[in-house]
Amino acid sequence: GAVVSQHPSRVICKSGTSVKIECRSLDFQATTMFWYRQFPKQSLMLMATSNEGSKATYEQGVEKDKFLINHASLTLSTLTVTSAHPEDSSFYICSAIKGTQYFGPGTRLTVL
Amino acid sequence: GENVEQHPSTLSVQEGDSAVIKCTYSDSASNYFPWYKQELGKRPQLIIDIRSNVGEKKDQRIAVTLNKTAKHFSLHITETQPEDSAVYFCAASRAIGNEKLTFGTGTRLTIIP
Repeated sequence: GAVVSQHPSRVICKSGTSVKIECRSLDFQATTMFWYRQFPKQSLMLMATSNEGSKATYEQGVEKDKFLINHASLTLSTLTVTSAHPEDSSFYICSAIKGTQYFGPGTRLTVL
Repeated sequence: GENVEQHPSTLSVQEGDSAVIKCTYSDSASNYFPWYKQELGKRPQLIIDIRSNVGEKKDQRIAVTLNKTAKHFSLHITETQPEDSAVYFCAASRAIGNEKLTFGTGTRLTIIP
């Protein structure tokens, strides 16, 4: 199989601060990773496609200056939520490709 | 872009009965259709997938059917068990693994003991 980890699993922050979430492929290399956001009782919505060594591709309506993505190595992609606000509170899930998409365990962000 | 609709949004079945969840998609170029099971607060887990060159695929109690002409695909769970209770998502993409997935809205399945 393929293992994808995320860190942290939970984070609580104050409004206006920035939060970094890490996504790692533990036993394989991934040139492409995806970042999703899931609000309570809703589906997964793709935010952006993270490409190793190049700029991320953002979905329509997702602010690239607010959700900074860095894919600096073949096993690590990071998502930074800048100037977080309560409406950014959500479950953030990454995935990495090894044949098919394997999902990380998710990060629950709560912005107070 | 792709649009995936999923029905029903909630489904309750008696233990041992069958459950069927249906999805339709809009992009005729989509050719990969995975199904995920998600338990509360957990990551989605791939339970079965199908490519467009196949009409049906089965794995023990789980089966998926695909009708490319009508652009719909369905998940069938037979002999349901309490541990099948979860939220199920269908998804579609243009290529296995390498293209972004568009997810359906989800079905909350409850198995009644």
